[in-house]
Amino acid sequence: QVYLVQSGPELKKPGASVKVSCQASGYTFINFFIHWVRQAPGHGLEWMGWMDPKSGDTYITQDFQGRVTMRSDTSLSSLYLEMDSLTSADSATYFCARDAEGRKYTLDGMDVWGQGTTVIISS
Amino acid sequence: YELIQPPSVSVSSGQTASITCSGDRVGNTYVNWYQLKAGQSPLLLMYRDRRRPSGIPERFSGSNSRGTATLTISGTQPIDEADYYCQAWGSRTVIFGGGTRLTVL
Repeated sequence: QVYLVQSGPELKKPGASVKVSCQASGYTFINFFIHWVRQAPGHGLEWMGWMDPKSGDTYITQDFQGRVTMRSDTSLSSLYLEMDSLTSADSATYFCARDAEGRKYTLDGMDVWGQGTTVIISS
Repeated sequence: YELIQPPSVSVSSGQTASITCSGDRVGNTYVNWYQLKAGQSPLLLMYRDRRRPSGIPERFSGSNSRGTATLTISGTQPIDEADYYCQAWGSRTVIFGGGTRLTVL
């Protein structure tokens, strides 16, 4: 069985940073790009970027550039999303998702999703 | 690059629901569909316009023609009540539609 298991909920103050982890199992970790997607309450799905676990290459959408870092640890089959300078607008559920085709183009969609990590920003 | 979906669609139980996704480049790119229920992770329903992942019921089907992709649910069931999102690859980015809330009456 293929799984992506994410870290638990986070409560942060404005201006703080958060780190969300996503651990893969059941498949060859380095063979599939991972996307990060978030959903704020009452809003739709918002794509944040992708990461190639093999090379460490990332692409972060313009809305998050300079504030978001994506990392991987192949020894742990894990990826990490780090976000700085948090505001209330960053309160959302964050998902990692596997690119089914293995690359970044989502030709076959995102077929495996983590359970989501809820991040709440509140003073 | 934008994907446009109707905010809401209503359908009577047992009837056919159609959810559209339009955009300038929809006809030139593959569209994927996801179902999202409250408290759950998105579920891939359709990829490459019309292909169903294993485990997805046959009542779900997809098409993509003339700038509009359509997700069709035949014999809609109460359990199909959810938000539905189309998604495609833009020039360098992943694009999601705004989502459609399906209500089963």
